[in-house]
This record gives sequence, C-alpha cells and structure tokens, in this order.
Amino acid sequence: GENVEQHPSTLSVQEGDSAVIKCTYSDSASNYFPWYKQELGKGPQLIIDIRSNVGEKKDQRIAVTLNKTAKHFSLHITETQPEDSAVYFCAASKPNQGGKLIFGQGTELSVKP
Amino acid sequence: SAVISQKPSRDICQRGTSLTIQCQVDSQVTMMFWYRQQPGQSLTLIATANQGSEATYESGFVIDKFPISRPNLTFSTLTVSNMSPEDSSIYLCSVEYQGTGPNSPLHFGNGTRLTVT
Repeated sequence: GENVEQHPSTLSVQEGDSAVIKCTYSDSASNYFPWYKQELGKGPQLIIDIRSNVGEKKDQRIAVTLNKTAKHFSLHITETQPEDSAVYFCAASKPNQGGKLIFGQGTELSVKP
Repeated sequence: SAVISQKPSRDICQRGTSLTIQCQVDSQVTMMFWYRQQPGQSLTLIATANQGSEATYESGFVIDKFPISRPNLTFSTLTVSNMSPEDSSIYLCSVEYQGTGPNSPLHFGNGTRLTVT
C-alpha cells in the first residue's frame, strides 16, 4: 500500500525566513496531495492541496510543488510568522479515494520572533 | 467548508468501559470518515461511514471494537468499546467537501481527546 515519508520531524526558523517541508510517496497511482496544519488542541486544517496534473500551486505565502517522476512534493512557507508555528502534515490519496488519506509523520514548525 | 462538531471534546475513561463519540455536520454529506491520532503521531483512517449501509473498516480495525452508526446525512457516532490504555488517542471525524476534481478536500472536526486509565 501507499507509504508517505515526511521530513524533517522538527523545524525551527526565525520570523521572516522561509520554511520547507518535504514528503515522498511510494504509490505512483496517488494523484491528490493535501497539506494540513494542526494547532494545539485543534483538528487538522487544510491549507493547500495539489493534484497530479499540476506541478506547482501557490496561495499567498504558501506554495506546494509536486514532482511526479521522483514521487515527492514539498510545502514552502515564505515570510514566516509566529502564528505559522504548528504541526504540518502532508498526505496522499489515490483516485476516487479522497477520504482515505495516507498521512506523513508530521513536522513541528517553530517560528521564533 | 462544512462545520463539523464533535462531542465530547475530551474525556477520561476507565478501562473496560465504552465511549460513544458524536459527530454533527452542518450540511448533508455523503461520506463521513473516522480517523485516529495516537499521542504525538500521525492520523490513521479507522473506517468510512456511509448513510444507509454498514461502515467500511480499514485493516487493523474491527466493528466489534469500533462500532459506527450513520443514521442520516449529517450525523455519525463512533464507539470505542471495552477500552484499554492503548486506546488513548484523539478521534477525529471528517467529511469531504464537494469541491472540484475527482478527490474532494477532506475537512476535520476538532477531535475527541480520549484518555483511558
């Protein structure tokens, strides 16, 4: 089955710097890749997603890139702010299995003011 | 996006007892999903709950341990039965938001934080 690896497990950056989180997936049939932000005491919140027919997607300070050949995708956060501090999860799913997400292990991002 | 409400938000239970978690959505949805997040870990799908049919369980999860009800298109319950300390986790309800594309984004409630003593 699908396996998603996420790195790093923890990431500490200074406010204003960029942060990059990387994920690799094993099943080439996966075609949908969302990213979630989970703050303490809350459920995961979808922040951006990308489908396999697109190589890059951007939403303000957040961008995601996908390399289907290498089977990896990355989250880029620019101009980080303290409120970006949270645990970030990548995930993957196959066609018509949108509810069955395979999650990475999570990255705890800390943005220091 | 849908508003997903879970009850209780947290509970501390004795081993051997059962807890039923409720999930209410503010709009009708075809499919609802129950995930488990063990302490400090990632999320794992327990089962998919469809209205009018039995839930579909993922490998490693069984109906006797995690019975699910789905009486209508806005509500579902997950019961954690005969609990042991290993069941201490966050249990999350999620729904697909009917966006564009073959895979619709999945939205989560805030979860139920369960501690079994």
